[in-house]
Amino acid sequence: GAVVSQHPSWVICKSGTSVKIECRSLDFQATTMFWYRQFPKQSLMLMATSNEGSKATYEQGVEKDKFLINHASLTLSTLTVTSAHPEDSSFYICSARTGDAGGLFFGSGTQLSVL
Amino acid sequence: GQNIDQPTEMTATEGAIVQINCTYQTSGFNGLFWYQQHAGEAPTFLSYNVLDGLEEKGRFSSFLSRSKGYSYLLLKELQMKDSASYLCAVMDSNYQLIWGAGTKLIIKP
Repeated sequence: GAVVSQHPSWVICKSGTSVKIECRSLDFQATTMFWYRQFPKQSLMLMATSNEGSKATYEQGVEKDKFLINHASLTLSTLTVTSAHPEDSSFYICSARTGDAGGLFFGSGTQLSVL
Repeated sequence: GQNIDQPTEMTATEGAIVQINCTYQTSGFNGLFWYQQHAGEAPTFLSYNVLDGLEEKGRFSSFLSRSKGYSYLLLKELQMKDSASYLCAVMDSNYQLIWGAGTKLIIKP
C-alpha cells in the first residue's frame, strides 16, 4: 500500500517554542492531506484539511494562527505548532489521500510533549 | 447530522471470533473504511467497502449493507496482538471522512 512518512516521531519542547511536523507521501501524489490530533484514550479529531497549493480548511475550534499548515507540494505537508503550551501536548497524526475516492493512509504520528 | 455508531468496548477470547458492528447515517456515501489502532500508534488500514457484500482478507473480513447503513468487521482466530481499537469511518458525498469513536477490543487468554 501507499506509504506516508511523518517526522519527527517524538518532540519534547519548552513552552513558547514552535514545533514543525512533516508529512510526506513517499510513493504517490497526495492532493489532499489531513491533520488530526488525538488525546489519550480518545478518538481522532480532525484539525484541518490541506489541499496542495491552497489554504488549509480548519475545523471549528482549531486556531489557524496557532496551527500553521503548509501544503507546498503534492508530496509534502507541514504542521507548525506555534508558541506551544502544555495543553498542546498531544499525538498529532497526518494522513494523505490518493484521490477523491482513493484510500486514506496515515503517517506514524508525532507525540508532542510541551514542558 | 452525520453519525457513526460503534460499540465502545468488546472483550473476546484468544482463538475465538469477534464481530464489531458499525452503523452510519451520512450525507451521501463513497465507501466505508476500517482501521486498526494500537495504543500510542497511528491507525493502520484494514479494509475498504463501497459495494454491498463481504470482503475477506486473511483473518479479517468486512461486510457492508448500504441499504441498512451497516457494516461489520469480523476477526477470526483471534490473537493477543489483535487487542487494539478498531475505527469505522465513512466517506460522505464530499469525500470527507466521518469517523466513529472506535471500539476497544480486549483479547483474553
